Amino acid sequence: DTGVSQNPRHKITKRGQNVTFRCDPISEHNRLYWYRQTLGQGPEFLTYFQNEAQLEKSRLLSDRFSAERPKGSFSTLEIQRTEQGDSAMYLCASSPLQGEAYEQYFGPGTRLTVT
Amino acid sequence: KQEVTQIPAALSVPEGENLVLNCSFTDSAIYNLQWFRQDPGKGLTSLLLIQSSQREQTSGRLNASLDKSSGRSTLYIAASQPGDSATYLCAVTDDLQGGSEKLVFGKGMKLTVNP
Repeated sequence: DTGVSQNPRHKITKRGQNVTFRCDPISEHNRLYWYRQTLGQGPEFLTYFQNEAQLEKSRLLSDRFSAERPKGSFSTLEIQRTEQGDSAMYLCASSPLQGEAYEQYFGPGTRLTVT
Repeated sequence: KQEVTQIPAALSVPEGENLVLNCSFTDSAIYNLQWFRQDPGKGLTSLLLIQSSQREQTSGRLNASLDKSSGRSTLYIAASQPGDSATYLCAVTDDLQGGSEKLVFGKGMKLTVNP
């Protein structure tokens, strides 16, 4: 069990560019979540997958954001036409199928800076 | 809409003190509550999870309690150490009958333990 991994760890981009982040959950975890955290705030929910199905999306996930989990394993989060307000830490979490606790395990995050 | 509050936003204490961190939530219909630790620029580390049917959980020097009816949880840290310095976040999952498994976070409490 190597934990949740995220790549890249840091991304600096110019306004208007597209960026894509990757999350690899703990193996055999069928639930995968994306959150966004800005400085001094707690993480805010963006979207959630159960296997390859995207079951919930926050209103924070504007049309410029898209997330996929094509084979129910890793997930990608793409931001098109980035804006300075997109600068944040993007966190991924996963939780297992078994058990009732729904405990979420977080990765190290991808820090995005839009200049 | 569920809201989670953590007061105070920051706390500075000398090493060795026993600490109580507070968390309150507005909707008592929760499924579980998790306490996390976050070091600067890092992801979240799960400390304790309390299911709604439980009243407390313990791990080492940490003890978390839950009073669901009053919408409160406390995290007790015994014999604090400089290594405990971090931001502590409280998060709840609402009752699953609503179909959502997302975590709703407080803004966190930044703890500094001075040697």
